[in-house]
Amino acid sequence: DADVTQTPRNRITKTGKRIMLECSQTKGHDRMYWYRQDPGLGLRLIYYSFDVKDINKGEISDGYSVSRQAQAKFSLSLESAIPNQTALYFCATSENERGNIQYFGAGTRLSVL
Amino acid sequence: AQKVTQAQTEISVVEKEDVTLDCVYETRDTTYYLFWYKQPPSGELVFLIRRNSFDEQNEISGRYSWNFQKSTSSFNFTITASQVVDSAVYFCALGDTGRRALTFGSGTRLQVQP
Repeated sequence: DADVTQTPRNRITKTGKRIMLECSQTKGHDRMYWYRQDPGLGLRLIYYSFDVKDINKGEISDGYSVSRQAQAKFSLSLESAIPNQTALYFCATSENERGNIQYFGAGTRLSVL
Repeated sequence: AQKVTQAQTEISVVEKEDVTLDCVYETRDTTYYLFWYKQPPSGELVFLIRRNSFDEQNEISGRYSWNFQKSTSSFNFTITASQVVDSAVYFCALGDTGRRALTFGSGTRLQVQP
C-alpha cells in the first residue's frame, strides 16, 4: 500500500460544484502539503500544515480551503470549482526537520468543465 | 523570494547518450536545500536526491550524478548512458528553512529514444 494516498485519482466536475480531494498518510509525518501542477509551471504550493492545529496559505490559496482532520489526513476543498482549477493536484508529507524530503502521493487529476 | 529556473523545456536523446539537465536557483537564505524529483509517465513524483547548501561535493549514484556549484547557484543533474526508462519529467526544487515547502522549477521533459 502507498504511504501517501490520494483519493480520487481522477475527477471530472462542473463549474460551480463543491469538490473535496482527500489525502491520507501512513508515514507518521507531522507536515503535510497540497500542490498544484500545471503544464509548464511546475508545482505550486496551495496550503501547508505543520500539525493538526496549524494551517498556512501557500502562493495560490485563493479559491481553495483545507482541513487537517488528524495527523494522517489533510483534505483540499474547492468551494465553487472553476475551469482554471483544472490541474493535477499532489499531496505531500515530510518529517519535522530541516531539509525535509517530501514524499508525494500519486496525484489527483481534476477537470472542471 | 525564491526561484528555480530550468531553462530546458524538453530534451531528446538517443539511448546511451549522456545528458545534463540544468537547474539555476535564487534565494536569500544562507541555509537551504536542493532537490531533484523524477516524474515518469505514470505521473507520480519520485525523490532522487537532496543536497544542503553547505555541502558542495558532487555526488554519483550509479548512472546519475549531480554537480552543485554555489558560486553559480546551479545544481545540475547528469544521466550517463541514458536508457529509455529514464524518459520522464525532471524537477529541480529549492527548500526553504521557514515553511519547509518546496519551490519547484518548471521541469525538463527528457525523452530517450531507443
